[in-house]
Amino acid sequence: NAGVTQTPKFQVLKTGQSMTLQCAQDMNHEYMSWYRQDPGMGLRLIHYSVGAGITDQGEVPNGYNVSRSTTEDFPLRLLSAAPSQTSVYFCASTKSRVGETQYFGPGTRLLVL
Amino acid sequence: DQQVKQNSPSLSVQEGRISILNCDYTNSMFDYFLWYKKYPAEGPTFLISISSIKDKNEDGRFTVFLNKSAKHLSLHIVPSQPGDSAVYFCAASGGGGADGLTFGKGTHLIIQP
Repeated sequence: NAGVTQTPKFQVLKTGQSMTLQCAQDMNHEYMSWYRQDPGMGLRLIHYSVGAGITDQGEVPNGYNVSRSTTEDFPLRLLSAAPSQTSVYFCASTKSRVGETQYFGPGTRLLVL
Repeated sequence: DQQVKQNSPSLSVQEGRISILNCDYTNSMFDYFLWYKKYPAEGPTFLISISSIKDKNEDGRFTVFLNKSAKHLSLHIVPSQPGDSAVYFCAASGGGGADGLTFGKGTHLIIQP
């Protein structure tokens, strides 16, 4: 049981490039979400999903897309990277009700030049 | 406007003593509160939670207190141990906005020998 896994661990992009941050969980959790953490800030919700085929926006969704084709996977896409998207990205999953214990992945550190 | 506030960026406590971390919130719709612990270069890990129908929840050395009238919660760690040195995030859910957790900015707890 690996829990929540994220790839890559670290990525450098140039402004305007696109990329996909991968997130997978093997706990059969319905609810998954993406957060970003910036220096001196708490985690901020980007997008979330309450089940396969269902996604919705969080607090800071601009510049990011998500899809949820399976229960296990929840990739986050940066369409055209900007320096403001330099951050550490965390994926999380939880069994059911929003607010119950969320299990976090180890994070992806992204640097946009 | 921050809905979850942790006003102490850092806290230094002697080993064996009590650590008290504080958190305030403004959104009356929050009905579930959690504390997460985070080490550098790792994802947050769940520590303890409390529902708004309770005023106290205890798990080993960790106790969370909730004062709904004051919109205030606190995390007590007794006794504090060196391994408790980490950043602690207060989080809440149930607000009228998007689903997911709303985080405070975190408090860096340093346990001194």
